[in-house]
Amino acid sequence: KAGVTQTPRYLIKTRGQQVTLSCSPISGHRSVSWYQQTPGQGLQFLFEYFSETQRNKGNFPGRFSGRQFSNSRSEMNVSTLELGDSALYLCASSPRAGGPGETQYFGPGTRLLVL
Amino acid sequence: AQKITQTQPGMFVQEKEAVTLDCTYDTSDPSYGLFWYKQPSSGEMIFLIYQGSYDQQNATEGRYSLNFQKARKSANLVISASQLGDSAMYFCAMRGVLSGYALNFGKGTSLLVTP
Repeated sequence: KAGVTQTPRYLIKTRGQQVTLSCSPISGHRSVSWYQQTPGQGLQFLFEYFSETQRNKGNFPGRFSGRQFSNSRSEMNVSTLELGDSALYLCASSPRAGGPGETQYFGPGTRLLVL
Repeated sequence: AQKITQTQPGMFVQEKEAVTLDCTYDTSDPSYGLFWYKQPSSGEMIFLIYQGSYDQQNATEGRYSLNFQKARKSANLVISASQLGDSAMYFCAMRGVLSGYALNFGKGTSLLVTP
């Protein structure tokens, strides 16, 4: 079974621009979560989608948004980019949402550099 | 709130030796899951092992085992017979109802396996 795929793998943007990242979950997985990883803050949860609905959201400004499509693919968007948005953005999928035992499987990530 | 603490920023181990990576956690969740992930320099988070808070036995997956001590709130990862390919960052993570089942990560431990 193919793993989680993320596109693009690398992005360079300038301040003020917006960016859209894409994630395709493992086949059959309906939950998709997004995480931001930076050297200073570590791994932080952005949001989770299940059946096209946002189930949970982390403590990020409204510039960060996402959506999920009927085929479970997900996109996240960051508007008005700031230098501090430079990070590795990781997408993870699991068969179901909720429950302490649901294992999330991660994609290779998208490295975003904001200049 | 949930908190994961990994006190070892970096560890060295010789090839074929066993190594223990420490993880302590703090939560008031009645039910929670504990996970370990490996992150090589490529960036992808690789799931290693899972332990449920109500599991009576310690989890094992191949060369990985989890030393779970619920009363001490610790969930240490033991890697037996270390290999050069084990060199990576290792993250302990938890999910429970208090976080809306989002994964809450520790800061990570960098493991270097030497010949």
